[in-house]
Amino acid sequence: DVVMTQSPLSLPVTLGQPASISCRSSQSLVYSDGNTYLNWFQQRPGQSPRRLIYKVSNRDSGVPDRFSGSGSGTDFTLKISRVEAEDVGVYYCMQGTHWPPTFGGGTKVEIK
Amino acid sequence: QVQLVQSGAEVKKPGASVKVSCKASGYTFTSYYMHWVRQAPGQGLEWMGIINPSGGSTSYAQKFQGRVTMTRDTSTSTVYMELSSLRSEDTAVYYCARVPPSDKLGMDVWGQGTTVTVSS
Repeated sequence: DVVMTQSPLSLPVTLGQPASISCRSSQSLVYSDGNTYLNWFQQRPGQSPRRLIYKVSNRDSGVPDRFSGSGSGTDFTLKISRVEAEDVGVYYCMQGTHWPPTFGGGTKVEIK
Repeated sequence: QVQLVQSGAEVKKPGASVKVSCKASGYTFTSYYMHWVRQAPGQGLEWMGIINPSGGSTSYAQKFQGRVTMTRDTSTSTVYMELSSLRSEDTAVYYCARVPPSDKLGMDVWGQGTTVTVSS
């Protein structure tokens, strides 16, 4: 199985400051169709996960533009340009290129 | 709007089985595969398997082979996940999540989760 490694595990951030989460895969996530199936999810406390980003950099409808995804191959990043209080939660990357789909271990974003 | 509504919390004894439902609405049920994902208390997300609501075909994570069964009822737009031989380590929140057409094995809409507690 493809191993997804996220860092850091915990990310204390000051309100209004940027935040960056790294996700690395044990194999390239480029599929034979040319797409890279790397997703980012946000899970707020007590809620279900919510998809933020799909195929590396595409924001879902309703996701604030302060969230952005980038990367290629095996290295990916989720950035929050200015953290707001509602961004507190755990963020997961997930790959859908290889069978079976696998998740990173999560990064907990909290306010300093 | 697209919605996945799951059944309520369950408490089971070790060795028993549990069957969780996920009722879809707001879209064509048979056009989208459905995942099941679980999350143990304080832990991350773990993929369990996937079902094609159209034909009923399934594929399960190796870890759950032999213990999990996913089925669907097209007349009620509902998918089911049954887990047998429950043990304490199966205590978790179980989610269904829809696969969007443009995202291979992605998950665009999630159910609210069903808490399953396994305790003697």
